[in-house]
Amino acid sequence: ETGVTQTPRHLVMGMTNKKSLKCEQHLGHNAMYWYKQSAKKPLELMFVYSLEERVENNSVPSRFSPECPNSSHLFLHLHTLQPEDSALYLCASSQGLAGSNTGELFFGEGSRLTVL
Amino acid sequence: AQKVTQAQTEISVVEKEDVTLDCVYETRDTTYYLFWYKQPPSGELVFLIRRNSFDEQNEISGRYSWNFQKSTSSFNFTITASQVVDSAVYFCALSEAGHSGAGSYQLTFGKGTKLSVIP
Repeated sequence: ETGVTQTPRHLVMGMTNKKSLKCEQHLGHNAMYWYKQSAKKPLELMFVYSLEERVENNSVPSRFSPECPNSSHLFLHLHTLQPEDSALYLCASSQGLAGSNTGELFFGEGSRLTVL
Repeated sequence: AQKVTQAQTEISVVEKEDVTLDCVYETRDTTYYLFWYKQPPSGELVFLIRRNSFDEQNEISGRYSWNFQKSTSSFNFTITASQVVDSAVYFCALSEAGHSGAGSYQLTFGKGTKLSVIP
């Protein structure tokens, strides 16, 4: 079993749909992240949770809503998305935040989202 | 503000050739961490190395080696005797230590270099 598991791997949704992306980490880490990866652009940090508290919301539109019910699970709820939101959404976890001496990120395989 | 530049968008090499991936960074902090990640076609980013700003020793791990030069703000990655399995997108990243070294949340990535190793 991989350390960070994301479901679904692929998702196609219309602009009026509501869907959720799920991330689960089996590494005992205390921080979790959502990143967006679009073509030709650097990875963009969206949200950071540390000890289940949101510590960073990187100017993400409200149509993206994160939820971290416990230290092992992270969700990204999607509502009324736009076609430009189509991207690979990557979840990551770390023991300690990025920039700490234990903060290397472990990534899932991503959820490929297509918004029609 | 921190910034990571990977000037090489795509590189193609023939198997067994050596290849160097360039990474130049900008930061105002004196304490920071540099990373390299590999993203194979399956999608997940795989952690390769972390370097802190106080450790300028070069590192070698098998066919991989890293050259950290603070004077030029570079953290280059060399693959020796490349193999087809090395084909992937490679990302360089930077994180500042934040207050008291507790972490800064923000890991800034470069745009990545796509490496294709041709058999």
